[in-house]
Amino acid sequence: DAGVTQSPTHLIKTRGQHVTLRCSPISGHKSVSWYQQVLGQGPQFIFQYYEKEERGRGNFPDRFSARQFPNYSSELNVNALLLGDSALYLCASSSGSNYGYTFGSGTRLTVV
Amino acid sequence: ILNVEQSPQSLHVQEGDSTNFTCSFPSSNFYALHWYRWETAKSPEALFVMTLNGDEKKKGRISATLNTKEGYSYLYIKGSQPEDSATYLCASSHSGSARQLTFGSGTQLTVLP
Repeated sequence: DAGVTQSPTHLIKTRGQHVTLRCSPISGHKSVSWYQQVLGQGPQFIFQYYEKEERGRGNFPDRFSARQFPNYSSELNVNALLLGDSALYLCASSSGSNYGYTFGSGTRLTVV
Repeated sequence: ILNVEQSPQSLHVQEGDSTNFTCSFPSSNFYALHWYRWETAKSPEALFVMTLNGDEKKKGRISATLNTKEGYSYLYIKGSQPEDSATYLCASSHSGSARQLTFGSGTQLTVLP
């Protein structure tokens, strides 16, 4: 069974542009969370979705948005990119038990 | 604002040495404590999820303990091997925001052959 898959693996964007990152959870997992990891720091919580509804939102500006589809895959959208948005974006899925989270290997976003 | 602290920030040990790291987290409204092992260019690998005060978990040469009253967890590696080299992350979750993991900055372990 495939793990959590994220696409693309790497991305370079220009300031002011928009980006969409994608995540496919483990089969049977209905919850997807997004995290941002900046070099030297631990991952920071951005969003969690369960059964297509937003269940939690971290301290990120409204430029960040996400959604979950009927097949439980998810998109993270970031508008008006800033240099400071350059980071590794991680997706994690769980069965909804709030205990176990399985992470993907992330999308490395570079904003120039 | 929840703060999870890990120490040390980095650690170099010789193959065969045993080592341990510390994770401190807010004890109020505690829900669960997670340990992850993260190798470069790979996805974080879940090691343990712990919820009960006094809990101890073991996976091969790696074990962890939990003290929820004082807000700390220890991760132990017995007989370190070069393949143990990785960043070890801990994360806590708390009631009211149980779906959100708050991560520490990690301990980067290098095991020298």
